[in-house]
Amino acid sequence: SQKIEQNSEALNIQEGKTATLTCNYTNYSPAYLQWYRQDPGRGPVFLLLIRENEKEKRKERLKVTFDTTLKQSLFHITASQPADSATYLCALQDSSYKLIFGSGTRLLVRP
Amino acid sequence: EAQVTQNPRYLITVTGKKLTVTCSQNMNHEYMSWYRQDPGLGLRQIYYSMNVEVTDKGDVPEGYKVSRKEKRNFPLILESPSPNQTSLYFCASSANANSPLHFGNGTRLTVT
Repeated sequence: SQKIEQNSEALNIQEGKTATLTCNYTNYSPAYLQWYRQDPGRGPVFLLLIRENEKEKRKERLKVTFDTTLKQSLFHITASQPADSATYLCALQDSSYKLIFGSGTRLLVRP
Repeated sequence: EAQVTQNPRYLITVTGKKLTVTCSQNMNHEYMSWYRQDPGLGLRQIYYSMNVEVTDKGDVPEGYKVSRKEKRNFPLILESPSPNQTSLYFCASSANANSPLHFGNGTRLTVT
């Protein structure tokens, strides 16, 4: 069956370091992959979208990679700040437009 | 300000008492969707709508109804709520089915 996996354990890093979050998928051929940020008590907020024919996308301190051979996306936050602490969700969309979300990884950035 | 507005934010009800959660967007988006979020299960799609009068089931539609009579509104209806529908619900919209989603701030529903 189709599956999206994000590390359920929180990622705890020091301010200034690069945070790297992983999204793995199986039995799925996504046309797009999206990353969202979710703060407690709030709805997810869109961050980045990457297409299957793109290897990398950047936006300010954020970088997303998409490896369709490994069936994996990596989400990087460089020079992390305590304000980056949140839960990050990946979501895959196939050609039928259906968007499937992972359960998210919580990031904690220590000052 | 561009936004998706859900009401109410919190709702406590009893089994079997019909309820409606409203959702409205002011961005003239064609696509709207409802999700529920449960610990460890992530966001699961309940229903979606590609445009006015066009709705379709998502992954977990049982026990829910929706309607899309106007472009801006997409209410979620629970005809006979049960305790297993206790969850955090999110409405979302996008320009079309390929575009990133804008989410509301959620409705926390408790059914006793």
